[in-house]
Amino acid sequence: DAKTTQPPSMDCAEGRAANLPCNHSTISGNEYVYWYRQIHSQGPQYIIHGLKNNETNEMASLIITEDRKSSTLILPHATLRDTAVYYCIVRAGGTSYGKLTFGQGTILTVHP
Amino acid sequence: EAQVTQNPRYLITVTGKKLTVTCSQNMNHEYMSWYRQDPGLGLRQIYYSMNVEVTDKGDVPEGYKVSRKEKRNFPLILESPSPNQTSLYFCASSSSAGQSHQPQHFGDGTRLSIL
Repeated sequence: DAKTTQPPSMDCAEGRAANLPCNHSTISGNEYVYWYRQIHSQGPQYIIHGLKNNETNEMASLIITEDRKSSTLILPHATLRDTAVYYCIVRAGGTSYGKLTFGQGTILTVHP
Repeated sequence: EAQVTQNPRYLITVTGKKLTVTCSQNMNHEYMSWYRQDPGLGLRQIYYSMNVEVTDKGDVPEGYKVSRKEKRNFPLILESPSPNQTSLYFCASSSSAGQSHQPQHFGDGTRLSIL
């Protein structure tokens, strides 16, 4: 699986958009980009995933660059409850999709 | 309610005493996986299973065993636990229908302390 690089920490003001970047320059054609978050020591929570098109759901938007080497997770109106560690991972398709590598993630702190 | 259930949630035990952490899911998922989480190291995959009787190593399988005799259960076995296996453990599952991409559902975690 391709490895990902994320900034270790970011801050965001409550009510503003939080834009979390992820670099995955070695991503291959059948690998999806996934985002999860973890609040304190709870189990990680799925946020969104995509292959090459931008995606949006009720939680967030995912913007993937045209060359697929990087992506940005957007939380449009961050709240204090969005303070968490955010993980960007890539997951292979085909018969290799079982193995997953999480990086160290980005600690997002939303402040009043 | 769809969920992944781990037991126990907390365990303190001693070196060398075999232990099993159970994981059960009620979503009929084919794929299940175990992770450990340590400070500064993020989540690391221990073992995963694509379906019944099919298991494979993740990044840190040493010292662990797993089995997948039934679709809903994926126990993690520590035959001879050592202090370096003190960690927070998570089980996860997902559908793999047609190998399409489905998100993983995680359990609440098991905090193991090996003295």
